[in-house]
Amino acid sequence: DQQVKQNSPSLSVQEGRISILNCDYTNSMFDYFLWYKKYPAEGPTFLISISSIKDKNEDGRFTVFLNKSAKHLSLHIVPSQPGDSAVYFCAGRVEYGNKLVFGAGTILRVKS
Amino acid sequence: DSGVTQTPKHLITATGQRVTLRCSPRSGDLSVYWYQQSLDQGLQFLIQYYNGEERAKGNILERFSAQQFPDLHSELNLSSLELGDSALYFCASSDRGGSKTEAFFGQGTRLTVV
Repeated sequence: DQQVKQNSPSLSVQEGRISILNCDYTNSMFDYFLWYKKYPAEGPTFLISISSIKDKNEDGRFTVFLNKSAKHLSLHIVPSQPGDSAVYFCAGRVEYGNKLVFGAGTILRVKS
Repeated sequence: DSGVTQTPKHLITATGQRVTLRCSPRSGDLSVYWYQQSLDQGLQFLIQYYNGEERAKGNILERFSAQQFPDLHSELNLSSLELGDSALYFCASSDRGGSKTEAFFGQGTRLTVV
């Protein structure tokens, strides 16, 4: 039962260009969506979130877009930097209980 | 530093054995979550505790159990270990109150079953 899907296992982008990471979900009970970044041998670190009643949230170089009708969200990183190279996880927060359901992750490689 | 502490960082044990993983949440956080990350896979939710009570359960095997103690630290017990249990186990915490929605993760415990 994959409630959150990240269909692209990896993405390679040139430094300075835009990175777009995508995520689809099936559970309508998510009230928040979150993006986490993970470096090897470290725990995931929180990046940005969006409420299910919003369609956009921006924080510096990171913007998350939510399309509820399509049950799709995306993370835009502009401009991409080599330090952004990591695994990015999309997660939905179940309204009751704060349980986070994660996607499988997308490996982002930013080439200099 | 997320403020979530997991011990040990690495654990190597034999099949059939039992191990205990420990998690200390961020100060004031009431919720503790356990996740498993197997090789090349995403984070699989195992279980959540809130202020000592089990709140949500995911794909946690019957051989696994967890608890949260009055001081809010949590332990994940894995028994009758199999080779396939080798994975990274992450603990996360949240729910200090207020409008924050994110959970903060520890560095993980890498379990290797040989």
